[in-house]
Amino acid sequence: AQRVTQPEKLLSVFKGAPVELKCNYSYSGSPELFWYVQYSRQRLQLLLRHISRESIKGFTADLNKGETSFHLKKPFAQEEDSAMYYCALSGWGGAQKLVFGQGTRLTINP
Amino acid sequence: DTGVSQDPRHKITKRGQNVTFRCDPISEHNRLYWYRQTLGQGPEFLTYFQNEAQLEKSRLLSDRFSAERPKGSFSTLEIQRTEQGDSAMYLCASSLVAGLAGGGSTGDTQYFGPGTRLTVL
Repeated sequence: AQRVTQPEKLLSVFKGAPVELKCNYSYSGSPELFWYVQYSRQRLQLLLRHISRESIKGFTADLNKGETSFHLKKPFAQEEDSAMYYCALSGWGGAQKLVFGQGTRLTINP
Repeated sequence: DTGVSQDPRHKITKRGQNVTFRCDPISEHNRLYWYRQTLGQGPEFLTYFQNEAQLEKSRLLSDRFSAERPKGSFSTLEIQRTEQGDSAMYLCASSLVAGLAGGGSTGDTQYFGPGTRLTVL
């Protein structure tokens, strides 16, 4: 079964502190992993995907196949990072339909 | 704005009525997806189109739901005999997928629309 688990519904950190949003997945095969973000009153948008190995807005995420995890990290949080974050997976080839986690609401306190 | 657009943005209806939503994808995107998002949950896949062909439907999509993409451009999602449990945000996404010959494909980013919020009274 395909499943994405984000164990924290809410996460609150202070500005300048490190941030880690956890994501674990279950998938038979080799999935592609994504992080999507939704800022207040904006649409869902892609933040990063594991195959691109990019750092977007200071965020990075490493796919750990052994632990089936794809945690999102940022060394120094900024107030504008406050948003809803969704981890998602899709399969290679085929439909690439996305399977999302429940989301984590990140709040950065000044 | 050349992004994905959805209409209407909000719809309030009474139980038992039919509703139809429209999605206009990014021009030339060949794939179009519908998702549903309920409060406190992530989006859940409903169905997707490759050009005008509907290739997959989720078990979430009961026979009261029907989707079309008649000319491979915009898509409509109709819900017949709405129920209170249909209240949700309905999201549309589109993508351009290359290399479809032989069934294999290289996925590309899915771009989401703003959603249609449905409230069934």
